[in-house]
Amino acid sequence: AQSVTQLDSHVSVSEGTPVLLRCNYSSSYSPSLFWYVQHPNKGLQLLLKYTSAATLVKGINGFEAEFKKSETSFHLTKPSAHMSDAAEYFCVVSVPPGGGNKLTFGTGTQLKVEL
Amino acid sequence: GAGVSQSPSNKVTEKGKDVELRCDPISGHTALYWYRQSLGQGLEFLIYFQGNSAPDKSGLPSDRFSAERTGGSVSTLTIQRTQQEDSAVYLCASSLRRGGASDTQYFGPGTRLTVL
Repeated sequence: AQSVTQLDSHVSVSEGTPVLLRCNYSSSYSPSLFWYVQHPNKGLQLLLKYTSAATLVKGINGFEAEFKKSETSFHLTKPSAHMSDAAEYFCVVSVPPGGGNKLTFGTGTQLKVEL
Repeated sequence: GAGVSQSPSNKVTEKGKDVELRCDPISGHTALYWYRQSLGQGLEFLIYFQGNSAPDKSGLPSDRFSAERTGGSVSTLTIQRTQQEDSAVYLCASSLRRGGASDTQYFGPGTRLTVL
């Protein structure tokens, strides 16, 4: 079975400081991993995805994530937080082909950005 | 082009009533998914369509839940005899290809269902 664990339910940073949202995965197969963001009362938006190509993945809005097989991690980072980054972030793993690409979501990390 | 759309955006119903939730995927997307987002359970998969068939219904929580897709496009999720625990945001997503693990799923804004 595939699963993801988001290690922090809430993260608070000051504007202009780095962001680190932590995610560990468990998978019997080579996983596909995603980060989605959900702003209040908005739909889920894809930030970035890892699909066994480059281990450092760059996404939208300055976010990036690094796939580390040895640590089974896929942490999301951003060098400098902006107020507009305040949202809930979900780490997601995909069941491999044959499983219909069913997404399994982490429990989410609420990011708060303070002035 | 337009993204995934869902209707209604909000639905309030009484316990025991049936409800229908609609999803219009992105044009040309062959795969369609339903998920549910609730406070207690987080985001969970319900059902997957490839074209008009549903090869994976494993996430449907009970036989009160059913879904269909017609013409390889619009999908309807039906909940019969609604219960209060059905209150949640129901999300629809679509993807271009045949459900490959790396496919990007594009999500609609969701339908917020409240069962009184």
